[in-house]
Amino acid sequence: DAKTTQPNSMESNEEEPVHLPCNHSTISGTDYIHWYRQLPSQGPEYVIHGLTSNVNNRMASLAIAEDRKSSTLILHRATLRDAAVYYCILRDEGNQFYFGTGTSLTVIP
Amino acid sequence: DAMVIQNPRYQVTQFGKPVTLSCSQTLNHNVMYWYQQKSSQAPKLLFHYYDKDFNNEADTPDNFQSRRPNTSFCFLDIRSPGLGDAAMYLCATSRGQGAAGELFFGEGSRLTVL
Repeated sequence: DAKTTQPNSMESNEEEPVHLPCNHSTISGTDYIHWYRQLPSQGPEYVIHGLTSNVNNRMASLAIAEDRKSSTLILHRATLRDAAVYYCILRDEGNQFYFGTGTSLTVIP
Repeated sequence: DAMVIQNPRYQVTQFGKPVTLSCSQTLNHNVMYWYQQKSSQAPKLLFHYYDKDFNNEADTPDNFQSRRPNTSFCFLDIRSPGLGDAAMYLCATSRGQGAAGELFFGEGSRLTVL
């Protein structure tokens, strides 16, 4: 069911930018790319989503490749509170959201 | 203010003793989901409702059932919990507006089976 692949883990120094990659080579034209993050012992929370163009919000930026087969979540200045598991998900016209394995981000003080 | 509320946050049951977990939402969303998340794993979709239409995932065991009596509430019933059902159970909602709508999650209900 999972249609995305992500590195299992990444590290970043505090206050430095973080680029979290996601591959989704089987994406179809109507699939939206969603990102969520999950802090320990909490439910996942929405971060950002997009279709074709790059997107920015108060939490992060989403850069989408021109062929849409990959995307990158960008945290501009990592803080200790950003340490979490980040999930990249494709959502189609149906209502299912299938989570991939996610990337565990460690932020080093 | 919490928009997706799950109760209880922690549930301990005995092997084979039925359990019901509840989820309520104040968002008036069409779609409600139940996910199972085991330790160090990603959430796994069990089933979802679009309004009153129930959609079961093919690999969801029959031991897991769900009810949605109205827009605001959804229940997860585990008829005979086994040790392998110990997990965090996550409820989520979505507007059902096609692919653009995002998910809103509750804090989860952690189930322990003795």
